[in-house]
Amino acid sequence: KNEVEQSPQNLTAQEGEFITINCSYSVGISALHWLQQHPGGGIVSLFMLSSGKKKHGRLIATINIQEKHSSLHITASHPRDSAVYICAVPTNFGNEKLTFGTGTRLTIIP
Amino acid sequence: EPEVTQTPSHQVTQMGQEVILRCVPISNHLYFYWYRQILGQKVEFLVSFYNNEISEKSEIFDDQFSVERPDGSNFTLKIRSTKLEDSAMYFCASSEARTGGYGYTFGSGTRLTVV
Repeated sequence: KNEVEQSPQNLTAQEGEFITINCSYSVGISALHWLQQHPGGGIVSLFMLSSGKKKHGRLIATINIQEKHSSLHITASHPRDSAVYICAVPTNFGNEKLTFGTGTRLTIIP
Repeated sequence: EPEVTQTPSHQVTQMGQEVILRCVPISNHLYFYWYRQILGQKVEFLVSFYNNEISEKSEIFDDQFSVERPDGSNFTLKIRSTKLEDSAMYFCASSEARTGGYGYTFGSGTRLTVV
């Protein structure tokens, strides 16, 4: 059964800073999800990746399958990026249900 | 972009009452899920559904819970007799495939408050 660790738990940064959030998991996976949760509670899928790197606007996600580690980066951070960022992986390889990390609460100060 | 739609967005109910949370998954998706998040805690899996039957459920998903796909488009979660500890955000999700999470999409959630 997969265990997911995220770091840091909380992150406060100034507008414009480069942000990195990390996620480690214990069992080999087919794909990893990065999700964003705003104060209202809704979840938005940012990325699903199984290898390498994906970019969407100012967001970049990378994954190292051998090391069982993924990072989410935000370039030129903005106050509207303030949210909880959650990493999720399949509970077991080849399984469709997800195990979630505890999330990283990001606050960007203007 | 296709969306998973959940209704209602908020529901307040008295303890012991039945509630039905509704979801409309993406039309060509085959796998459906319910997750919940108690305030301040991680999102946790409740149940997955495929081919008109439950494919997996967690220990949380006891006899008080049931799921149904009554008409080929809606996917519902019923809680028969709500308890205070059922207060949580409930998320529906759907995906195209069993592995790889292709097209895994979440709804915006239903906040359930049991009083």
